[in-house]
Amino acid sequence: KQEVTQIPAALSVPEGENLVLNCSFTDSAIYNLQWFRQDPGKGLTSLLLIQSSQREQTSGRLNASLDKSSGRSTLYIAASQPGDSATYLCAVRDYNTDKLIFGTGTRLQVFP
Amino acid sequence: KAGVTQTPRYLIKTRGQQVTLSCSPISGHRSVSWYQQTPGQGLQFLFEYFSETQRNKGNFPGRFSGRQFSNSRSEMNVSTLELGDSALYLCASSLDLAGGVNTGELFFGEGSRLTVL
Repeated sequence: KQEVTQIPAALSVPEGENLVLNCSFTDSAIYNLQWFRQDPGKGLTSLLLIQSSQREQTSGRLNASLDKSSGRSTLYIAASQPGDSATYLCAVRDYNTDKLIFGTGTRLQVFP
Repeated sequence: KAGVTQTPRYLIKTRGQQVTLSCSPISGHRSVSWYQQTPGQGLQFLFEYFSETQRNKGNFPGRFSGRQFSNSRSEMNVSTLELGDSALYLCASSLDLAGGVNTGELFFGEGSRLTVL
């Protein structure tokens, strides 16, 4: 059964820092991995989608990498800003069930 | 381009009642999926529809049901509500399926927050 874990559960950093969020999955048989952010009481906003054949994707200050064989993905945020404060979720499309399995999320706070 | 629209945004029901939630996908998107989000269980998959057919289903009791219309709009229904059904219900749409599996990027609505008293 596919399980997705995100470490750390919470993170508080000063503005301007570069930071890395981690996502681990137990079964490497996936179609893709997607990173989202969620603001309190809101829906999810798609950040990056990495297909299983890709190693990384970049959008602005965000860079996501995927190492399928080791079951890991990282989301790198450069020069963090207070507006980056949110919960970040990763999700894998599981090959065996076709279902999207979500991680537990990392709550990020960037203070001025 | 309008995003995914969910209605109602908030609703309060009592135990035993039923509720219907609506989701309008992004124009041109034919795949719609539903998720339940609670503090204890996180985000859990409910079901996925494509071209009016349910193509995948999560591990929820039969009280949870859904459907998709010819214009890709979707509804989900929860009957005989229980306190544990209180949650944020999220709908997501994506462009299409490739080879029968949805490998596309998902776009979420703002959700419908259900409180069961």
